[in-house]
Amino acid sequence: AQTVTQSQPEMSVQEAETVTLSCTYDTSESDYYLFWYKQPPSRQMILVIRQEAYKQQNATENRFSVNFQKAAKSFSLKISDSQLGDAAMYFCAYRSSGRSGGSNYKLTFGKGTLLTVNP
Amino acid sequence: NAGVTQTPKFRVLKTGQSMTLLCAQDMNHEYMYWYRQDPGMGLRLIHYSVGEGTTAKGEVPDGYNVSRLKKQNFLLGLESAAPSQTSVYFCASSYSLGGATNEKLFFGSGTQLSVL
Repeated sequence: AQTVTQSQPEMSVQEAETVTLSCTYDTSESDYYLFWYKQPPSRQMILVIRQEAYKQQNATENRFSVNFQKAAKSFSLKISDSQLGDAAMYFCAYRSSGRSGGSNYKLTFGKGTLLTVNP
Repeated sequence: NAGVTQTPKFRVLKTGQSMTLLCAQDMNHEYMYWYRQDPGMGLRLIHYSVGEGTTAKGEVPDGYNVSRLKKQNFLLGLESAAPSQTSVYFCASSYSLGGATNEKLFFGSGTQLSVL
């Protein structure tokens, strides 16, 4: 079974600075998807960024980028120019593509990292 | 376009009471899911459905039942609530799986359930 580990329960960053949230995962599959979700105090789950494992290029969405290291099974999220609105719980998640036999219906989540942004 | 709507948003139950959480989506999605979120545990899958009339167990199905009689609705039932079921419950839906470019989970805003 796949597992997702977020080793930082809490992180803080100064406004306008850069912060990196860590995520590692364990899988025997070669084809899968990785995600970062943001959950602000409103509780709404918001997809931040998505990475396909077969793509070498790291995904980028505006101020959010990932460092995907497939061999190391690492998927960190970098937030540049942090803003007060970035304060939230961040979840890393894994999903099989199903093409290598894994169950592709389920997102497996890490336990989350609570990010605080200091003004 | 409302997306995924969950009702109710908050509920307090006494041990042994029953209730049903309703999830409705207006995006014609085939796949629907129920997750629970507990502090320090992330989100865990309770049950899911891959189409109208189908349901299947996820990671933590005990104590819950589900039904998908209509494509747009996915109901989560607690027959005899226990304090261990105090949690935030999220419904989600997706159009497809397995690599489609529009593969994305859409989440509802959650239901805070307290069982006393």
